[in-house]
Amino acid sequence: QVQLQESGPGLVKPSETLSLTCTVSGGSFTNYYWSWIRQPPGKGLEWIGYIYYSGGTNYNPSLKSRVTISVDTSKSQFSLNLTSVTAADTAVYYCARGHYFYDSGTYYYWGQGILVTVSA
Amino acid sequence: DIQMTQSPSSLSASVGDSVTISCQASQDISTSLNWYQQKAGKAPKLLIYGASYLVTGVPSRFSGSGSGTDFSFTINSLQPEDIATYYCQQYDNLPPVTFGGGTKVEIK
Repeated sequence: QVQLQESGPGLVKPSETLSLTCTVSGGSFTNYYWSWIRQPPGKGLEWIGYIYYSGGTNYNPSLKSRVTISVDTSKSQFSLNLTSVTAADTAVYYCARGHYFYDSGTYYYWGQGILVTVSA
Repeated sequence: DIQMTQSPSSLSASVGDSVTISCQASQDISTSLNWYQQKAGKAPKLLIYGASYLVTGVPSRFSGSGSGTDFSFTINSLQPEDIATYYCQQYDNLPPVTFGGGTKVEIK
């Protein structure tokens, strides 16, 4: 059974960089797209972007200038960096994957989510 | 970006009722549409993909239909465990993937 687990600081100061890692277990890491999605408290879902296992990326244009997603296939991990954060970046951050290797936009497996609060 | 407009934003129905949620895309997305269920404090769960295909293991009372710009999601015979927020999501033209605003389903 594929499992995803987010990790990282739960509190980040304004103007600093939010850094999260998603560790994947129980399945293949190669040949899949790996995504980040976030949800501000009490609000809807926002797609951040994805990385293909080989390193190709695609980001939400609204966040593109601040987002970097990277991958470490040796550790079955992928990471999110979001720079210059503000309170508007406070959200539960999810990592996710599709069911099939061609799924770049369908999310079958999800992490449990990690709440990141931006506050001084 | 393709905008996804979901309606209603909330609904209340009795156990056993049939409920329908609508989702409209701002442009033609063919059948590149998914439906998710999110229970309080949990990650979303994929229920329907490709507009009408039921994920294995999901109860058959859930169904989806539509193509182009207009889609619907139906729960036949609402059950207490169906209390959740439901989201539509398009993946036809990314970036970005976009989600509807959600529909909160409650029991009357």
